[in-house]
Amino acid sequence: SQQGEEDPQALSIQEGENATMNCSYKTSINNLQWYRQNSGRGLVHLILIRSNEREKHSGRLRVTLDTSKKSSSLLITASRAADTASYFCATDGGSSYKLIFGSGTRLLVRP
Amino acid sequence: GAGVSQSPSNKVTEKGKDVELRCDPISGHTALYWYRQSLGQGLEFLIYFQGNSAPDKSGLPSDRFSAERTGGSVSTLTIQRTQQEDSAVYLCASSLVGASGSGETQYFGPGTRLLVL
Repeated sequence: SQQGEEDPQALSIQEGENATMNCSYKTSINNLQWYRQNSGRGLVHLILIRSNEREKHSGRLRVTLDTSKKSSSLLITASRAADTASYFCATDGGSSYKLIFGSGTRLLVRP
Repeated sequence: GAGVSQSPSNKVTEKGKDVELRCDPISGHTALYWYRQSLGQGLEFLIYFQGNSAPDKSGLPSDRFSAERTGGSVSTLTIQRTQQEDSAVYLCASSLVGASGSGETQYFGPGTRLLVL
């Protein structure tokens, strides 16, 4: 069963706007990762944040983690049409290797 | 270097038939994972291989599902007596060592889209 819940399920924004996606999880974690998926195919790793980190940046991506609330957010700034994809958070559920995925947010960036 | 490859890309089969899905991990990666993604859903863990250790099969949904990894490289996921609810995208991933909780990146293949009629 899926651990995470993501919201919104779908998000439609105009190019240039920021997109924020949220993820909640249930168990303790060592780290949380965000992945991107185009067209229902392979996933691409975006960013990882460890349980002792609160915020992390990578290019136009900003991830926050609040372990007390068991939640994370992914912010994409200055969105582009090419950012259109599904975005998933994944946790290790406290184990060393098994990833537990959320249900994903479908992002549409309108040109 | 080449990424994770999977074959076939698409598979249509009739209910009750067996199917085999193949995964070629990145060379040198000792850890290999299979996930299943139903339409519009997140990924569901199926099975994990790490080196010569016994695989973690805890995610396999029924005894109709099995997987093997030969020579520590290529893996085959077999679904026997397929059912319509088996229809999904089956994704394979590999990582360097698959251990320690250090948040190792898993590299995903493009997946096999299975449709059981």
